Amino acid sequence: GQQLNQSPQSMFIQEGEDVSMNCTSSSIFNTWLWYKQDPGEGPVLLIALYKAGELTSNGRLTAQFGITRKDSFLNISASIPSDVGIYFCAGQDSGGSQGNLIFGKGTKLSVKP
Amino acid sequence: KAGVTQTPRYLIKTRGQQVTLSCSPISGHRSVSWYQQTPGQGLQFLFEYFSETQRNKGNFPGRFSGRQFSNSRSEMNVSTLELGDSALYLCASSLNRDHEQYFGPGTRLTVT
Repeated sequence: GQQLNQSPQSMFIQEGEDVSMNCTSSSIFNTWLWYKQDPGEGPVLLIALYKAGELTSNGRLTAQFGITRKDSFLNISASIPSDVGIYFCAGQDSGGSQGNLIFGKGTKLSVKP
Repeated sequence: KAGVTQTPRYLIKTRGQQVTLSCSPISGHRSVSWYQQTPGQGLQFLFEYFSETQRNKGNFPGRFSGRQFSNSRSEMNVSTLELGDSALYLCASSLNRDHEQYFGPGTRLTVT
């Protein structure tokens, strides 16, 4: 079945630093999504990407949909303490697999003030 | 616009019992998907409903079932609970099947 490799698994950074994480897939996706999850809560959608090569920003967050449609990355600039959490990438197929998101294992971000 | 709501937020059940979880999607959203989240397996897809019909199903046993009502609200049921069913169960809604999904806060199920 489809799998997503998300890296790194965890990051410990200083407040103010930039962060980069990525996801790669063994197969192509039509949509890439990035979520953030805080403890005990559901994932919150950060950015949705629909076209290969698309670069989208949401405040200090920037994400790109890879040209091959098999990868995506998320950058966070000038990190702040409230960026702490687990970030997940998710790929969405079309056709018969619509509605079925495939998730990466997550990147746990810790920010030192 | 109100977000996805799930009830109850927390649940403790005993092995062998059954449980029903409820999800109300964002107003106007017609697709509802369910996921199970555990520390070991991460987020795994259970099933998806659209127009009251199950459109997709993940690799879970038949003890896991669901349904969707005409107002798009959805329920999932787990029968004959096992210890391994302890997890955070997440519901997500989207406008249509190929739109981005928005998650609810989840139901934390503990099976003892």
